[in-house]
Amino acid sequence: KAGVTQTPRYLIKTRGQQVTLSCSPISGHRSVSWYQQTPGQGLQFLFEYFSETQRNKGNFPGRFSGRQFSNSRSEMNVSTLELGDSALYLCASSFGTGIGNEQFFGPGTRLTVL
Amino acid sequence: SQQGEEDPQALSIQEGENATMNCSYKTSINNLQWYRQNSGRGLVHLILIRSNEREKHSGRLRVTLDTSKKSSSLLITASRAADTASYFCATDASGSRLTFGEGTQLTVNP
Repeated sequence: KAGVTQTPRYLIKTRGQQVTLSCSPISGHRSVSWYQQTPGQGLQFLFEYFSETQRNKGNFPGRFSGRQFSNSRSEMNVSTLELGDSALYLCASSFGTGIGNEQFFGPGTRLTVL
Repeated sequence: SQQGEEDPQALSIQEGENATMNCSYKTSINNLQWYRQNSGRGLVHLILIRSNEREKHSGRLRVTLDTSKKSSSLLITASRAADTASYFCATDASGSRLTFGEGTQLTVNP
């Protein structure tokens, strides 16, 4: 079974631009969560989608948004990029939502904002 | 701030030795998961232990959970150079939302 895939793997943008990242979950998984990893803040939860609905949201500004499609693929968008948005963005998929679901992570998208 | 705190922050051992990493957390949890990350890549799921379990094994991995002390430990036996990575614990006190510790950087020297 193929793992979680994320595209693109690397991205360089400039301040003020916007970016869209994509995540394809493991086949059969319906929940997709997004995390941001930076050296200073570590791994932080962005949001979770299940059956095309946002189920949970972390403490990030409204510039960070996401969506999920009927095939469970998910995208996250960051508008008006700031230097501090440079990070590794990881998505994770799980079969269901809620407690007790093992989450499997993709390889991440490395975003650099210049 | 992070829910979990790993201890030690960095650990350097020789191949064949055992490596023990600890994780403490602050609130009640349902499950605790351990992940490995190689050099800024994605996280690899290692093991999940439920709050009603005290110990779990998977290959060379042994995880313990002490909910009274709000702590967990990950033991890697007979370590190999390929085990060199960062190890994170993650708790799921709030549904699917995982809260990660700061990680332990393990270096296994050949």
